[in-house]
Amino acid sequence: DTAVSQTPKYLVTQMGNDKSIKCEQNLGHDTMYWYKQDSKKFLKIMFSYNNKELIINETVPNRFSPKSPDKAHLNLHINSLELGDSAVYFCASSRAGTSYNEQFFGPGTRLTVL
Amino acid sequence: ILNVEQSPQSLHVQEGDSTNFTCSFPSSNFYALHWYRWETAKSPEALFVMTLNGDEKKKGRISATLNTKEGYSYLYIKGSQPEDSATYLCASIQDYGQNFVFGPGTRLSVLP
Repeated sequence: DTAVSQTPKYLVTQMGNDKSIKCEQNLGHDTMYWYKQDSKKFLKIMFSYNNKELIINETVPNRFSPKSPDKAHLNLHINSLELGDSAVYFCASSRAGTSYNEQFFGPGTRLTVL
Repeated sequence: ILNVEQSPQSLHVQEGDSTNFTCSFPSSNFYALHWYRWETAKSPEALFVMTLNGDEKKKGRISATLNTKEGYSYLYIKGSQPEDSATYLCASIQDYGQNFVFGPGTRLSVLP
């Protein structure tokens, strides 16, 4: 059984569109995260949610909005997509708290904006 | 913005060699340090979470140490095997968990 899953795996879309990436974890974790792997392959945290509450919100454009319908899901919605949004996006989860617990990563979603 | 550095950027070793690499992070407001192993075309997998100065952790042939006062952690691999080839990432957490930054990684290639 997949612990952290993301859909879709690949997403190709036009500039200006709005798209969502879904993430689900079946580990019973309380905290979920979204990361962006940038063009230099660095992994940068975007958001962290704990029990459906936002606890980390790094400086990302407000076109990016996380949505957590329940603690097993953290979806990433992106409005007005731009070329620079092309990247691999990873979802992750951990037991409660950001610091002391290892994170389990999803397989990633490769977003290509044309 | 936290500055987390890793060295070397990449490393090639022969099978059977032991190796180590470094993660440097700000020592002020330290909270925790994570190590992850990231194989190509896969997702990062956790190796260690370390919190206390002087911590040493071990998992099989891989071990790590932590010095929070001087702001560095070492990852050691004993008797490297080709399956150890991966990028090894550290992540520093500061300010009670509010700052979470991954380093750029060390890419290890183990040649048979």
